[in-house]
Amino acid sequence: SFVLTQTPSVSVAPGKTARIACGGDDIGTKSVHWYQQRPGQAPVLVMYYDRDRPSGIPERFSGSKSGNTATLTISRVEAGDEADYYCQVWDSNSDHYVFGTGTKVTVL
Amino acid sequence: QVQLVESGGGVVQPGRSMRLYCTASGFTFNSSGMHWVRQAPGKGLEWVALMSYDGRLKYYADFVKGRFTISRDNSKNMVYLQMNSLSAGDTAVYFCAKGPPVGALEYWGQGTLVTVSS
Repeated sequence: SFVLTQTPSVSVAPGKTARIACGGDDIGTKSVHWYQQRPGQAPVLVMYYDRDRPSGIPERFSGSKSGNTATLTISRVEAGDEADYYCQVWDSNSDHYVFGTGTKVTVL
Repeated sequence: QVQLVESGGGVVQPGRSMRLYCTASGFTFNSSGMHWVRQAPGKGLEWVALMSYDGRLKYYADFVKGRFTISRDNSKNMVYLQMNSLSAGDTAVYFCAKGPPVGALEYWGQGTLVTVSS
């Protein structure tokens, strides 16, 4: 089955840039979506179709993809960005949604 | 605004059944795909099932193995998850989410906790 791998944790100082990677075979051929989940809350969509931001998501959030890795970048990190982040794709070979393993972002 | 409210969770014994409910409002329900996603305590997100806006497309995660059934009633703006033969491994918060069959999950409910325990 298709697997999306994420770095378990990223630590970043306020005002700096956090980069969250999501790797998977042939991810370049799939659309990648990203979710933010703060502790005790439901996930929130923060990026869709690789690089599109939903309304209400700050411009500090951006998405990109290169080779077998998709990246969610958070610029000028704030304390409120501390959360778990998950990437997600639709795997057409299995007709399954697949979530990444998740990355915990800690703001120092 | 879009609202998704899950209900029906609680404690259930292993081997028993449970039905989850998701009540939707604030959008055109009969034009929207719907999903169930779960999260075991302290673990990551795990997709469970999806149903297209008209009910024609239904897909399930492999671990469901015929035990779960997703359904919807467009006249009531509700989506359901019937879960049979539950085991401890099914203990999780179950989220209802709105999204097309192959796109992003645009909105999520707050979830309902299912605990499988004797």
